[in-house]
Amino acid sequence: SQQGEEDPQALSIQEGENATMNCSYKTSINNLQWYRQNSGRGLVHLILIRSNEREKHSGRLRVTLDTSKKSSSLLITASRAADTASYFCATTTLNTNAGKSTFGDGTTLTVKP
Amino acid sequence: EAGVTQFPSHSVIEKGQTVTLRCDPISGHDNLYWYRRVMGKEIKFLLHFVKESKQDESGMPNNRFLAERTGGTYSTLKVQPAELEDSGVYFCASSHKTGSAETQYFGPGTRLLVL
Repeated sequence: SQQGEEDPQALSIQEGENATMNCSYKTSINNLQWYRQNSGRGLVHLILIRSNEREKHSGRLRVTLDTSKKSSSLLITASRAADTASYFCATTTLNTNAGKSTFGDGTTLTVKP
Repeated sequence: EAGVTQFPSHSVIEKGQTVTLRCDPISGHDNLYWYRRVMGKEIKFLLHFVKESKQDESGMPNNRFLAERTGGTYSTLKVQPAELEDSGVYFCASSHKTGSAETQYFGPGTRLLVL
């Protein structure tokens, strides 16, 4: 299986509800990032969390990181129809000074108005 | 500050033809990355430039793909000859420096369709 697997693959909720997406990875990381991709658009960076951090907030977004379980979660509170998009986690490991990101398959979130 | 830009936004070509994708990173960013998402699959790393040098090209699928970054500014990714399985979205990203907390900023992607 892949480094950076998101769970669930698809999530459908009503506007105003909270959405939680999970990401698991296999190797040691230096940081983990969450991205959003709206249909037909590019990747938008949401949050970066370092391996020595456990939780970060940005507006309605809350990201947690549990390095012992090699997992992260993205919580979107009070969801809006505009949050409908695909969400990806990406891990970065420093190996020979290369900072490439390894992505999961993504979670497709649909927020119904 | 302008973000990462990519050109073209879409490209439709026939099998066997050549296509060249261009990426302009954020000004001053030494690191430039190419990724691609083939239909229905995850986003995969292709290669990483530090300035004009290829730091890591372990993700390049085969020798039909050639990436360059002459002068350490913009980069091109050429596919020659294109095959059907090359269809997908090609993303470029840049970051200021390589580090454990360095955000990679992505461009909008180039959607390539090989018929």
